[in-house]
Amino acid sequence: AQSVTQPDIHITVSEGASLELRCNYSYGATPYLFWYVQSPGQGLQLLLKYFSGDTLVQGIKGFEAEFKRSQSSFNLRKPSVHWSDAAEYFCAVAGNYGGATNKLIFGTGTLLAVQP
Amino acid sequence: EAQVTQNPRYLITVTGKKLTVTCSQNMNHEYMSWYRQDPGLGLRQIYYSMNVEVTDKGDVPEGYKVSRKEKRNFPLILESPSPNQTSLYFCASRRVLSYEQYFGPGTRLTVT
Repeated sequence: AQSVTQPDIHITVSEGASLELRCNYSYGATPYLFWYVQSPGQGLQLLLKYFSGDTLVQGIKGFEAEFKRSQSSFNLRKPSVHWSDAAEYFCAVAGNYGGATNKLIFGTGTLLAVQP
Repeated sequence: EAQVTQNPRYLITVTGKKLTVTCSQNMNHEYMSWYRQDPGLGLRQIYYSMNVEVTDKGDVPEGYKVSRKEKRNFPLILESPSPNQTSLYFCASRRVLSYEQYFGPGTRLTVT
């Protein structure tokens, strides 16, 4: 079955440190991959997306992600974390599931805390 | 400004009292959907609509109803809410052939 796994439920990093959030997906065809961020009390904001082409994609707020087909991964990275990055991050894959076209399947999320 | 709006943003109600959460988008999107977000479970799709008068069940439709009488609106109806429907609800929209969804700000529902 198609699925998205975010193995880290909660991560704490120090401000200024680098960050990597893991995402693994299971999908038979070429995946369309997304990272969303949800700040406290806010809706979901799209950080970046991968459809095809260059496997390293740049997003907003200084985030990037790398698609690795051989590892079925789409990890999110940021070289230097800011306190305002504290939020919950969701990885998602879009595809055709059970008759639904372009359906989004979400991971369970990773909650990021940033220490001063 | 392109946006998806939801109302109310917060709602506390009692078991069995019918309620409706409204969702509206101004981007002329054909596709709209509802999700619920629960800790440790991520976002799960409740219902979706490919266009006016076309709706279908998502992954967790039990206890919910929807309607799509106009392209811009997609209300979520809980005819007899129960405490297990306490959750954070998101409405989203997109072009039917697009993969990129736009989300509303969320509605936090508590059923006591």
